[in-house]
Amino acid sequence: EPEVTQTPSHQVTQMGQEVILRCVPISNHLYFYWYRQILGQKVEFLVSFYNNEISEKSEIFDDQFSVERPDGSNFTLKIRSTKLEDSAMYFCASSEQPGQGMLDEQYFGPGTRLTVT
Amino acid sequence: RKEVEQDPGPFNVPEGATVAFNCTYSNSASQSFFWYRQDCRKEPKLLMSVYSSGNEDGRFTAQLNRASQYISLLIRDSKLSDSATYLCVAYNNAGNMLTFGGGTRLMVKP
Repeated sequence: EPEVTQTPSHQVTQMGQEVILRCVPISNHLYFYWYRQILGQKVEFLVSFYNNEISEKSEIFDDQFSVERPDGSNFTLKIRSTKLEDSAMYFCASSEQPGQGMLDEQYFGPGTRLTVT
Repeated sequence: RKEVEQDPGPFNVPEGATVAFNCTYSNSASQSFFWYRQDCRKEPKLLMSVYSSGNEDGRFTAQLNRASQYISLLIRDSKLSDSATYLCVAYNNAGNMLTFGGGTRLMVKP
């Protein structure tokens, strides 16, 4: 069964450092997403991406964040200068065709646990 | 008001019990709804999409009431392996994003 993969599974970084989180979405999916979940809190939307453009972003996704699809398979989230409050699980997700019933379904990767010290 | 609201629980039930979770949503523009299951420190896994007419998948039944902006999930014959957090999720086509509730924790005991 196809699945979303993410690397690394755990990233520890110092405050102010840049991090890049990587995702490989399901191969026939066209829409990609990043969510985050701070420990003990709910899953929060960060950004959606389609056709090499951001289609929607939340208030959390400020200028410190960026996304890229550098090649045909990878989808990355970059945090330019990490803060303590960026510590969270970051989940990548993908879907085929939102707004089309079952094709709205988003499938999540296993997540990257980011710890900022 | 929270966009998607759930009772956090925990619901402690014995094996074999039937348990129901409820969820309300505030954005009437939400078009699709889902139940995800999340185990501790793992990713959300899609359990069921929720259709207007209600749908069933084995021991799981989901219902949607658009008039009341209410979604439910019923689990019959609970198994120990059903212990997890159940996330109620709304999708808004205009925003192309999922909005998650805080989750309801279920613990099934022998």
